[in-house]
Amino acid sequence: AQKITQTQPGMFVQEKEAVTLDCTYDTSDPSYGLFWYKQPSSGEMIFLIYQGSYDQQNATEGRYSLNFQKARKSANLVISASQLGDSAMYFCAMREIDAGSNYKLTFGKGTLLTVNP
Amino acid sequence: DAGVIQSPRHEVTEMGQEVTLRCKLISGHNSLFWYRQTMMRGLELLIYFNNNVPIDDSGMPEDRFSAKMPNASFSTLKIQPSEPRDSAVYFCASSLTGVLTQYFGPGTRLTVL
Repeated sequence: AQKITQTQPGMFVQEKEAVTLDCTYDTSDPSYGLFWYKQPSSGEMIFLIYQGSYDQQNATEGRYSLNFQKARKSANLVISASQLGDSAMYFCAMREIDAGSNYKLTFGKGTLLTVNP
Repeated sequence: DAGVIQSPRHEVTEMGQEVTLRCKLISGHNSLFWYRQTMMRGLELLIYFNNNVPIDDSGMPEDRFSAKMPNASFSTLKIQPSEPRDSAVYFCASSLTGVLTQYFGPGTRLTVL
């Protein structure tokens, strides 16, 4: 079963507007973490933001914020005041901890964001 | 500080040849992850190490793939023999145990003809 679901293969937004990228997850662990990464056309994976399952407040990093709704198991990324340079693929990922207390990330399929001038 | 370093950045080889991908961790990091990215399957975890010890290699496709960490800061991913279906972008990422964020290298684009 898919543990991270990104339902939007592609999204378009006008420059300077805000956009929300959806991410839902599935886990039975009480302790988990959610990440967003950006992958521009150049190919590198850039860490954007992290939300822990016990964090009381939604994470924010500059123009990025994470709309964390624990009961709905969703962790949507909000980008405010979109810029042309935000055009990229965005990946949601979840941290899982194995029996040996080691952790790994499981990634969603990604959402391709295009910012229009 | 230097980020994760991967080499080569691009590799084109013929089916049946051995391919070795290299990764240098961020200084001080002790966890290493190898990923493969394709259009069909997305980003898949192949194997990860903690303090030079392989923890989970369940993502390694088959025996043709092997990964090592000869020292604390360096890792190799070897494919022998390579096949066209191995064509993908291979990323390595490093982190510090207890610090959750993984930092990715620039990736190696592998093409097997």
